[in-house]
Amino acid sequence: GAGVSQTPSNKVTEKGKYVELRCDPISGHTALYWYRQSLGQGPEFLIYFQGTGAADDSGLPNDRFFAVRPEGSVSTLKIQRTERGDSAVYLCASSSGPGNEQYFGPGTRLTVT
Amino acid sequence: GIQVEQSPPDLILQEGANSTLRCNFSDSVNNLQWFHQNPWGQLINLFYIPSGTKQNGRLSATTVATERYSLLYISSSQTTDSGVYFCAVNRDDKIIFGKGTRLHILP
Repeated sequence: GAGVSQTPSNKVTEKGKYVELRCDPISGHTALYWYRQSLGQGPEFLIYFQGTGAADDSGLPNDRFFAVRPEGSVSTLKIQRTERGDSAVYLCASSSGPGNEQYFGPGTRLTVT
Repeated sequence: GIQVEQSPPDLILQEGANSTLRCNFSDSVNNLQWFHQNPWGQLINLFYIPSGTKQNGRLSATTVATERYSLLYISSSQTTDSGVYFCAVNRDDKIIFGKGTRLHILP
């Protein structure tokens, strides 16, 4: 079956703008995760959904970041008033349940100019 | 929080050589995964290995959970093995990644 997909693959935006990044998990996977990867670093956890609810959002850096998963499938990561420091690759992963093997999408490369 | 340390940070090898990558973690974990990040940035699952030993072709991995480390073995390396190898541990339902080992295989 299809893997995790993310759109767009690249996003360039100006400082102060609002962006939305989308993740389509593997069909049937109940757990969905967002990570952020800066150059030369490993991915860092942002938020984890189990079903529709955010089970753990402790990795979100500040209140400009928000994520939703209204129907327990597709998720959207929303960033308000973008800053140059938000530039990174945003990765989404899904798994069949908490603690199970995670599968990653190709990522969205966000550049804030 | 839990710390994940990978070594070596960089490794350059000739094609055909064998290598061992190490991952140490500072506390007990629920499970552990090894990934290969290819030059296009895609994270490819190699092993899901909370404990024991697994093999897949030229790659194998061993996790000794009681001693808080895991090893990834690559035998007869090929240029396509180049990239960054990440160890990631699962604790309380979120993954914590190490900083990776950057592997470069010379033809």
